[in-house]
Amino acid sequence: NAGVMQNPRHLVRRRGQEARLRCSPMKGHSHVYWYRQLPEEGLKFMVYLQKENIIDESGMPKERFSAEFPKEGPSILRIQQVVRGDSAAYFCASSPLIESYNEQFFGPGTRLTVL
Amino acid sequence: QQQVKQSPQSLIVQKGGISIINCAYENTAFDYFPWYQQFPGKGPALLIAIRPDVSEKKEGRFTISFNKSAKQFSLHIMDSQPGDSATYFCAPPSSNTGKLIFGQGTTLQVKP
Repeated sequence: NAGVMQNPRHLVRRRGQEARLRCSPMKGHSHVYWYRQLPEEGLKFMVYLQKENIIDESGMPKERFSAEFPKEGPSILRIQQVVRGDSAAYFCASSPLIESYNEQFFGPGTRLTVL
Repeated sequence: QQQVKQSPQSLIVQKGGISIINCAYENTAFDYFPWYQQFPGKGPALLIAIRPDVSEKKEGRFTISFNKSAKQFSLHIMDSQPGDSATYFCAPPSSNTGKLIFGQGTTLQVKP
């Protein structure tokens, strides 16, 4: 059973470009969470999605950031017009059920560098 | 405001020693208390977790102690090994959506 997959593992963008980060959850998992880890900091929640629905986006910046989890295919975190402050590691995690006792399984992360 | 405060920020321990990391929380609605371990360049992975109906849980060299009245829980690593060198996060989940509320992290270095 493959774990959570994220690609690309490393992404370099120039200021003003778009970044698309992909996350494929573990088989059978329908809940996806995205977290951001800034250099030398802990992880911060960004958004929680179920198939075709955004459940909680309270951690998402109001502008330039969007996320989706379509019926088919991976979850996508999209950052438009990237700025240097967007440079960070972005992790997604998946879970089979909503109950809080369930472990979240993390992917290896996408490290975004904005030049 | 859901806040989780973790200490110390960094910790250096000799091989064979005991590593202790603490986490204090404010939200009394938390009902599950996990610790995650993260190695450089990797995603976090669940290490050990406790439910609030018990005060201690042990798995091998790792123990969680939970103090409900003080709203604190701690991770103890007995007989620390160089392979334990990593960053540790307490990260209780929100009870309604399951989103993890991460502490600031503790970087542990175990010297051989």
